[in-house]
Order: sequence, then structure tokens, then C-alpha cells
Amino acid sequence: QKEVEQDPGPLSVPEGAIVSLNCTYSNSAFQYFMWYRQYSRKGPELLMYTYSSGNKEDGRFTAQVDKSSKYISLFIRDSQPSDSATYLCAMSAGTGGFKTIFGAGTRLFVKA
Amino acid sequence: GAVVSQHPSWVICKSGTSVKIECRSLDFQATTMFWYRQFPKQSLMLMATSNEGSKATYEQGVEKDKFLINHASLTLSTLTVTSAHPEDSSFYICSARVPQGQAFFGQGTRLTVV
Repeated sequence: QKEVEQDPGPLSVPEGAIVSLNCTYSNSAFQYFMWYRQYSRKGPELLMYTYSSGNKEDGRFTAQVDKSSKYISLFIRDSQPSDSATYLCAMSAGTGGFKTIFGAGTRLFVKA
Repeated sequence: GAVVSQHPSWVICKSGTSVKIECRSLDFQATTMFWYRQFPKQSLMLMATSNEGSKATYEQGVEKDKFLINHASLTLSTLTVTSAHPEDSSFYICSARVPQGQAFFGQGTRLTVV
């Protein structure tokens, strides 16, 4: 079993839709949870960062962490064609030398 | 957010030559940096963890002598692909973690070995 599971998609939605992206994980030591967006041939860009459980909202993006279920989500409201990219969830157990473990990434296509 | 700069963004080299990729944290000190490799349409594969002032820690299956990592200062880590071959062609990405826990990535380097 992988430490982090993420459906690779692709996920195709119409413009304006609400997008829900999810990851599950097995390591209960994970405390830091991140979502990255990666456009083709570019490095990943940090979108959201959450420590421990709870929700965090930033503009059209909302990140949720449920540590009891080992489940994290990223919601994108009013999706735009420019949101078309690969979204990677990532998590780590702590700071310093703790490795960041990535999901496989979900490819999202938002159709105009 | 914090800025991590990676250079070059792309490089083409002849088979058998060596290529050096730099990763710099511009506005923070990074005691630990990470090097990843990414094949088309695949996720990031951690190659090694680079620690300032000490030897890098390599993931299983990654050849230490082929992928030389040097983390000489708190703001610079380098990855040298030695005796590169076409199968080494890939997208190499570095990241550095700020004290608060978030990891920021460089722009990536597309290496093509011909």
C-alpha cells in the first residue's frame, strides 16, 4: 500500500463547476499537508498548506484535512480553464529533514 | 511564498558528459533540500535529500556515484549528473523546506541527453 493515494484522473469538468480533489494516506504521523499545482513542463507551485486538521480557504480554493479518516481534500470553486493542470497532494511528518511524500497527481481539465 | 531558484531551466548535453544543476533558496536558509525526478505524466520521484554540511541521503535505487549532490551552503545545493546517458533525460526538480514546514519548488530543469 502506498503511503499516499491519489486518483490520477483525468478529471474533466465544465467551466464554473466545483472541483473536488482528494487524497488518502496511511501514516498517522503526517502533520503537514500541502496541495501543489503543476502546469506542463513547470515545477510544482504551492497552493495550500495546512498544519494538522481543519479547513483553510484562500480565494476559490479550500483545503480540508480530516486526520481521523486520514483524508484530505482540495475544493476549487468557479473553476476556470486556467485551472487546468495537475494537482498533487503532499504531506510530511515534520520540519527539517522529514521527507515530503507526494500523491500521484490528478490531471484536471476545465472546459470553456 | 518563499522563492527557490533552479538553474538552468533546460539543458541539452552529449552522452558521456556531466551536467550540473543548481538550486538556490533566495530569501531563506534551507538546511535541507530535496531533489526529485519526474518522467512525463508521472509524479515526482524523490531521488535524494541534501543536507547542508553533510552527505546526501539517497533513495533506494538511486546511484550515488551518478547523481552527485553537494549542499555547500544554506542557500545552495547542486546536483551533478555524471556521464549522462539518454535514459537520464528527464525533468529534475529541487525543493527546499522553510522552517514552518512548507516545501517550495524550483522551476525544474529539463535535461536532454543526445
